[in-house]
Amino acid sequence: KAGVTQTPRYLIKTRGQQVTLSCSPISGHRSVSWYQQTPGQGLQFLFEYFSETQRNKGNFPGRFSGRQFSNSRSEMNVSTLELGDSALYLCASSFDRGLGEKLFFGSGTQLSVL
Amino acid sequence: QQPVQSPQAVILREGEDAVINCSSSKALYSVHWYRQKHGEAPVFLMILLKGGEQKGHEKISASFNEKKQQSSLYLTASQLSYSGTYFCGTDQAGTALIFGKGTTLSVSS
Repeated sequence: KAGVTQTPRYLIKTRGQQVTLSCSPISGHRSVSWYQQTPGQGLQFLFEYFSETQRNKGNFPGRFSGRQFSNSRSEMNVSTLELGDSALYLCASSFDRGLGEKLFFGSGTQLSVL
Repeated sequence: QQPVQSPQAVILREGEDAVINCSSSKALYSVHWYRQKHGEAPVFLMILLKGGEQKGHEKISASFNEKKQQSSLYLTASQLSYSGTYFCGTDQAGTALIFGKGTTLSVSS
């Protein structure tokens, strides 16, 4: 069974640009969550999608958005990039986000903003 | 609200034990534990559910004090492979899983 796939693996952008990251969950998983990881800050929750609907949202500005398609694949978009957006972006999938459902993480997209 | 993990870092020799703590100010329905090795994705270790049910790893144990909203991860007879950053994630009534800042564990021979 294939794991969670994130593309691209690395990305370099300049301030002011926008970027789209992609996440393909494990087959059959309907929940996709996105996290931002920076040194010393742990995993900061961005948002969670389930069956094409955003179910939970973290405390990030509106420049961060996402969506989920009917095949459960998800994309995350960051507009007007800032230097502070440089981070590892991880997505995680699960069958659902009910109690006891563990998350399966992808390897992440390392975004560098210059 | 982000749970608080302690300590921030632990240095051990093989065979020694460690305890990593996680606390929240909110009522919790479950606590998750994950380990991330350098350059890799976080990997699931354990889930502790309200009511005492525990699901997870054979060689690592954990506890969940529902009254205090605290969880502890117990690593006994540590091995080199235990090195990495440990994250606890807390779940409030089926909401998003919110992670702490992590505890870095270094095991040397």
